[in-house]
Amino acid sequence: EPEVTQTPSHQVTQMGQEVILRCVPISNHLYFYWYRQILGQKVEFLVSFYNNEISEKSEIFDDQFSVERPDGSNFTLKIRSTKLEDSAMYFCASKALETQYFGPGTRLLVL
Amino acid sequence: QKEVEQNSGPLSVPEGAIASLNCTYSDRGSQSFFWYRQYSGKSPELIMSIYSNGDKEDGRFTAQLNKASQYVSLLIRDSQPSDSATYLCAVKGNTGTASKLTFGTGTRLQVTL
Repeated sequence: EPEVTQTPSHQVTQMGQEVILRCVPISNHLYFYWYRQILGQKVEFLVSFYNNEISEKSEIFDDQFSVERPDGSNFTLKIRSTKLEDSAMYFCASKALETQYFGPGTRLLVL
Repeated sequence: QKEVEQNSGPLSVPEGAIASLNCTYSDRGSQSFFWYRQYSGKSPELIMSIYSNGDKEDGRFTAQLNKASQYVSLLIRDSQPSDSATYLCAVKGNTGTASKLTFGTGTRLQVTL
Protein backbone atom coordinates (compact mmCIF):
# COMPACT_ATOMS: atom_id res chain seq x y z
CA GLU A 1 0.00 0.00 0.00
CA PRO A 2 1.46 3.39 -0.97
CA GLU A 3 2.43 5.67 1.87
CA VAL A 4 3.85 9.10 2.57
CA THR A 5 7.51 9.01 3.57
CA GLN A 6 9.52 11.66 5.43
CA THR A 7 13.20 12.23 6.08
CA PRO A 8 14.94 12.59 8.39
CA SER A 9 13.03 10.90 11.20
CA HIS A 10 14.90 13.02 13.75
CA GLN A 11 16.78 16.29 13.39
CA VAL A 12 18.68 18.18 16.05
CA THR A 13 19.82 21.69 15.20
CA GLN A 14 21.13 24.82 16.84
CA MET A 15 18.95 27.89 17.17
CA GLY A 16 19.35 30.13 14.15
CA GLN A 17 20.29 27.32 11.77
CA GLU A 18 18.35 26.41 8.66
CA VAL A 19 16.64 23.05 8.37
CA ILE A 20 14.98 21.32 5.45
CA LEU A 21 12.42 18.61 6.10
CA ARG A 22 11.67 16.30 3.21
CA CYS A 23 8.55 14.43 2.23
CA VAL A 24 7.65 12.10 -0.61
CA PRO A 25 3.86 12.19 -1.01
CA ILE A 26 1.83 9.31 -2.41
CA SER A 27 2.52 9.30 -6.13
CA ASN A 28 -0.91 10.12 -7.61
CA HIS A 29 -1.83 12.69 -4.98
CA LEU A 30 -2.18 16.32 -5.93
CA TYR A 31 -2.61 18.13 -2.62
CA PHE A 32 0.16 18.39 -0.08
CA TYR A 33 0.23 19.66 3.48
CA TRP A 34 2.52 20.33 6.39
CA TYR A 35 1.31 20.14 9.97
CA ARG A 36 3.19 20.31 13.23
CA GLN A 37 2.55 18.99 16.70
CA ILE A 38 4.33 20.44 19.70
CA LEU A 39 4.77 17.83 22.42
CA GLY A 40 1.52 17.37 24.32
CA GLN A 41 -0.44 19.71 22.05
CA LYS A 42 -2.76 19.29 19.13
CA VAL A 43 -1.87 18.86 15.49
CA GLU A 44 -1.71 22.31 13.86
CA PHE A 45 -1.95 23.18 10.18
CA LEU A 46 0.97 25.03 8.63
CA VAL A 47 0.48 25.14 4.88
CA SER A 48 -1.26 23.52 1.94
CA PHE A 49 0.15 23.26 -1.57
CA TYR A 50 -1.55 22.52 -4.87
CA ASN A 51 -0.58 23.01 -8.49
CA ASN A 52 2.87 24.24 -7.50
CA GLU A 53 1.69 27.01 -5.27
CA ILE A 54 0.57 27.63 -1.73
CA SER A 55 -3.20 27.29 -1.35
CA GLU A 56 -3.48 28.31 2.26
CA LYS A 57 -1.16 29.05 5.16
CA SER A 58 -1.64 29.55 8.85
CA GLU A 59 -0.40 32.37 11.07
CA ILE A 60 2.41 30.06 12.19
CA PHE A 61 3.75 29.91 8.62
CA ASP A 62 5.61 33.21 8.68
CA ASP A 63 8.51 34.44 6.54
CA GLN A 64 10.86 31.95 8.21
CA PHE A 65 9.02 29.08 6.54
CA SER A 66 8.90 28.09 2.90
CA VAL A 67 7.76 25.09 0.91
CA GLU A 68 8.87 23.73 -2.41
CA ARG A 69 8.20 20.84 -4.74
CA PRO A 70 11.58 20.80 -6.45
CA ASP A 71 11.37 17.74 -8.67
CA GLY A 72 7.83 16.42 -8.99
CA SER A 73 8.21 13.84 -6.23
CA ASN A 74 9.68 15.58 -3.17
CA PHE A 75 7.88 18.18 -1.10
CA THR A 76 10.06 20.15 1.29
CA LEU A 77 9.56 22.45 4.25
CA LYS A 78 12.39 24.86 4.98
CA ILE A 79 12.78 26.78 8.21
CA ARG A 80 15.32 29.51 7.59
CA SER A 81 16.38 30.46 11.10
CA THR A 82 15.11 28.03 13.67
CA LYS A 83 13.84 29.12 17.07
CA LEU A 84 13.50 27.10 20.25
CA GLU A 85 9.73 27.11 19.82
CA ASP A 86 10.03 25.38 16.44
CA SER A 87 10.81 22.16 18.31
CA ALA A 88 7.96 19.82 17.35
CA MET A 89 6.94 16.85 15.26
CA TYR A 90 6.40 17.92 11.66
CA PHE A 91 4.00 15.84 9.60
CA CYS A 92 3.61 15.88 5.86
CA ALA A 93 0.27 14.78 4.42
CA SER A 94 -1.04 14.25 0.94
CA LYS A 95 -4.41 13.53 -0.59
CA ALA A 96 -6.07 12.72 -3.89
CA LEU A 97 -9.75 13.08 -3.01
CA GLU A 98 -11.05 13.80 0.48
CA THR A 99 -8.73 11.91 2.82
CA GLN A 100 -5.35 13.20 3.96
CA TYR A 101 -2.74 10.54 4.62
CA PHE A 102 0.05 11.41 7.00
CA GLY A 103 3.72 10.54 6.87
CA PRO A 104 5.57 9.22 9.94
CA GLY A 105 6.86 12.66 10.87
CA THR A 106 10.17 14.36 11.55
CA ARG A 107 10.97 15.13 15.15
CA LEU A 108 12.80 18.48 15.20
CA LEU A 109 14.68 19.56 18.27
CA VAL A 110 16.12 23.08 18.36
CA LEU A 111 18.79 23.67 20.99
CA GLN B 1 -11.38 30.96 15.04
CA LYS B 2 -12.84 27.62 13.96
CA GLU B 3 -12.62 25.16 16.82
CA VAL B 4 -12.86 21.43 17.31
CA GLU B 5 -13.48 20.34 20.87
CA GLN B 6 -12.84 16.96 22.45
CA ASN B 7 -12.67 15.72 26.01
CA SER B 8 -8.99 15.01 26.61
CA GLY B 9 -9.70 12.02 28.85
CA PRO B 10 -8.31 9.60 29.66
CA LEU B 11 -11.32 7.49 28.87
CA SER B 12 -10.88 4.12 30.51
CA VAL B 13 -12.94 1.14 29.35
CA PRO B 14 -12.55 -2.57 30.08
CA GLU B 15 -11.60 -4.96 27.32
CA GLY B 16 -14.65 -5.99 25.32
CA ALA B 17 -16.67 -2.89 26.21
CA ILE B 18 -17.86 -0.11 23.92
CA ALA B 19 -15.81 3.09 23.89
CA SER B 20 -17.65 6.28 22.98
CA LEU B 21 -15.64 9.29 21.83
CA ASN B 22 -17.23 12.66 21.18
CA CYS B 23 -16.35 15.79 19.28
CA THR B 24 -18.04 19.13 18.62
CA TYR B 25 -17.10 21.69 16.01
CA SER B 26 -17.84 25.36 15.58
CA ASP B 27 -17.91 25.86 11.79
CA ARG B 28 -21.46 25.12 10.69
CA GLY B 29 -20.32 25.04 7.05
CA SER B 30 -18.02 22.05 7.56
CA GLN B 31 -18.82 19.08 5.36
CA SER B 32 -16.15 16.45 5.96
CA PHE B 33 -15.20 14.84 9.24
CA PHE B 34 -12.47 12.39 10.13
CA TRP B 35 -11.33 10.28 13.04
CA TYR B 36 -7.63 9.55 13.29
CA ARG B 37 -5.86 7.33 15.77
CA GLN B 38 -2.47 8.41 17.10
CA TYR B 39 -0.18 6.20 19.11
CA SER B 40 2.35 7.98 21.29
CA GLY B 41 5.18 9.40 19.18
CA LYS B 42 3.55 8.31 15.91
CA SER B 43 1.63 10.04 13.16
CA PRO B 44 -2.17 10.26 12.82
CA GLU B 45 -3.67 7.19 11.14
CA LEU B 46 -7.10 7.43 9.51
CA ILE B 47 -9.82 5.36 11.17
CA MET B 48 -13.04 6.70 9.66
CA SER B 49 -14.38 9.47 7.51
CA ILE B 50 -17.99 10.66 7.47
CA TYR B 51 -19.72 13.23 5.33
CA SER B 52 -23.47 12.71 5.78
CA ASN B 53 -25.74 12.83 8.80
CA GLY B 54 -26.27 9.45 10.44
CA ASP B 55 -24.10 6.45 11.13
CA LYS B 56 -21.28 4.88 9.17
CA GLU B 57 -19.94 1.50 10.21
CA ASP B 58 -16.60 -0.11 9.41
CA GLY B 59 -15.83 -3.27 11.33
CA ARG B 60 -15.74 -2.49 15.04
CA PHE B 61 -15.93 1.25 14.40
CA THR B 62 -19.03 3.39 13.92
CA ALA B 63 -18.89 7.10 13.21
CA GLN B 64 -21.96 9.23 13.86
CA LEU B 65 -22.58 12.71 12.50
CA ASN B 66 -25.22 15.25 13.47
CA LYS B 67 -24.65 18.46 11.54
CA ALA B 68 -27.57 20.27 13.21
CA SER B 69 -25.94 19.73 16.60
CA GLN B 70 -22.40 20.10 15.14
CA TYR B 71 -21.47 16.83 16.76
CA VAL B 72 -19.40 13.85 15.61
CA SER B 73 -18.80 10.69 17.57
CA LEU B 74 -16.86 7.46 17.24
CA LEU B 75 -17.95 4.19 18.82
CA ILE B 76 -15.48 1.35 19.19
CA ARG B 77 -17.14 -1.99 19.88
CA ASP B 78 -15.37 -4.91 21.56
CA SER B 79 -12.51 -2.64 22.65
CA GLN B 80 -9.08 -4.25 22.63
CA PRO B 81 -5.90 -3.25 24.49
CA SER B 82 -4.41 -2.40 21.08
CA ASP B 83 -7.10 0.30 20.73
CA SER B 84 -5.38 2.23 23.54
CA ALA B 85 -4.29 5.44 21.82
CA THR B 86 -5.30 9.05 21.37
CA TYR B 87 -8.23 9.57 19.01
CA LEU B 88 -8.19 12.79 17.04
CA CYS B 89 -11.30 14.37 15.58
CA ALA B 90 -10.54 16.41 12.47
CA VAL B 91 -12.79 18.70 10.47
CA LYS B 92 -12.09 19.80 6.92
CA GLY B 93 -12.46 23.48 6.24
CA ASN B 94 -14.79 24.80 3.58
CA THR B 95 -12.36 27.00 1.67
CA GLY B 96 -12.12 24.56 -1.22
CA THR B 97 -10.75 21.18 -2.22
CA ALA B 98 -7.34 21.89 -0.70
CA SER B 99 -8.85 22.90 2.63
CA LYS B 100 -6.89 22.14 5.75
CA LEU B 101 -7.88 19.87 8.59
CA THR B 102 -8.55 21.41 11.98
CA PHE B 103 -7.85 18.94 14.76
CA GLY B 104 -9.17 18.63 18.26
CA THR B 105 -6.79 18.01 21.13
CA GLY B 106 -7.66 14.32 21.07
CA THR B 107 -9.17 11.91 23.58
CA ARG B 108 -6.82 9.42 25.17
CA LEU B 109 -8.42 5.98 25.36
CA GLN B 110 -7.17 3.32 27.76
CA VAL B 111 -8.53 -0.21 27.35
CA THR B 112 -7.91 -2.17 30.51
CA LEU B 113 -7.57 -5.95 30.85
